[in-house]
Amino acid sequence: GIQVEQSPPDLILQEGANSTLRCNFSDSVNNLQWFHQNPWGQLINLFYIPSGTKQNGRLSATTVATERYSLLYISSSQTTDSGVYFCAVPRRGRRDDKIIFGKGTRLHILP
Amino acid sequence: GAVVSQHPSWVICKSGTSVKIECRSLDFQATTMFWYRQFPKQSLMLMATSNEGSKATYEQGVEKDKFLINHASLTLSTLTVTSAHPEDSSFYICSARNRASGRETQYFGPGTRLLVL
Repeated sequence: GIQVEQSPPDLILQEGANSTLRCNFSDSVNNLQWFHQNPWGQLINLFYIPSGTKQNGRLSATTVATERYSLLYISSSQTTDSGVYFCAVPRRGRRDDKIIFGKGTRLHILP
Repeated sequence: GAVVSQHPSWVICKSGTSVKIECRSLDFQATTMFWYRQFPKQSLMLMATSNEGSKATYEQGVEKDKFLINHASLTLSTLTVTSAHPEDSSFYICSARNRASGRETQYFGPGTRLLVL
């Protein structure tokens, strides 16, 4: 099955800093999602981004499908950005309603 | 839109008892729901796929007699952990796919923390 790797595994930043989180996947996909899991465990949909670039406030994401990676950018970090960021892709790459998660990037924003 | 609820949010039970967790899609119909398990500081692992009106499909290594899944309506799926033991203690999360959105996007419930004593 498809492999998903996220980096870095952990990131500690001062409030106001910018960060880039990376998601590499081992095969072609037609769907990629970024999630934020807050400290209480709730997963929040950030982006559905199989290709191209999207922006939502201080967050933006870019997926380069041909090179099998996606990047999540967080600008002007706030303490509420703390938590774990996961990317997820279809388990078999395409036409699969089951998704597989990377191991996540644990982000801690210091006040 | 696309809100998924879970109940209860946490439960503590004695070893040997059964625990039922409900997952509801509040503002959309979900023909497919998914159940995940997450151990501390780990990623989400898919346990089973719940399809409305048919039997659930379980991932390899997940005991179907241990984790009973029922998807009786387009807005409700339940997971019952039967004869729970301490090793079943975990964070259980459901998700639902909103087919009407035209995307293969899953929306997640807030999770249920289970502690078996």
